[in-house]
Amino acid sequence: QSALTQPHSISGSPGQAVTISCTGTSSDVGGYDFVSWYQQHPGKSPILIFYDVSKRPSGVPIRFSGSKSGNTASLTISGLQAEDEADYYCSSYAGNSWVFGGGTKLTVL
Amino acid sequence: EIQLLDSGGGLVQPGGSLRLSCEASGFTMKNYAMAWVRQAPGRGLVWVSAITGSGRSAYYADAVTGRFTISRDNSKNTLYLQMISLRVEDTAVYYCAKASSYSTSWPLDNWGQGTLVTVSS
Repeated sequence: QSALTQPHSISGSPGQAVTISCTGTSSDVGGYDFVSWYQQHPGKSPILIFYDVSKRPSGVPIRFSGSKSGNTASLTISGLQAEDEADYYCSSYAGNSWVFGGGTKLTVL
Repeated sequence: EIQLLDSGGGLVQPGGSLRLSCEASGFTMKNYAMAWVRQAPGRGLVWVSAITGSGRSAYYADAVTGRFTISRDNSKNTLYLQMISLRVEDTAVYYCAKASSYSTSWPLDNWGQGTLVTVSS
């Protein structure tokens, strides 16, 4: 149950696109199409923004997209907005357990 | 409106015990798997435990296996996490969360506000 690997931080200017990677192994990310992404603003509870790699819950803007290739999943945010500044966590099913990534702090410049 | 109200956190000495509760409203709890996720101060999210809607099956992270027990009382719409033999490294905000019915992978689509557990002498 080792944590998935995410970049510690990433930044972008308003209107730009950024991509956050999430690397695991064949026992988690690579073994299942069961990757979720969560957004967490400071002092708030996490919010689900993607599940099953690329499925978007209602209310999540379409400028957010999710994908996966091999053992690495990715979250792309297009047309960055100030309110996107937050921490982002990936998570994967790992066979009767779940594992989160270490989190990525997104800064909108 | 779905609401999850976490409670039961506090200060406990190493080796002590604590029981967390999560009172659910706005949905039929027995129809959904539930989970606990924790977050140490200034750190990332860590999955702790999950339980099926019926309560028949439970799953645990290696770090808490044998020390934590997840359970639920669907008649009271309440989820529990019994924690024993607590360690300093268990210090964290503990969130309860509801699993979505849209996927068998149990993505967590509603979260409580969290309750802080501090393990210190």
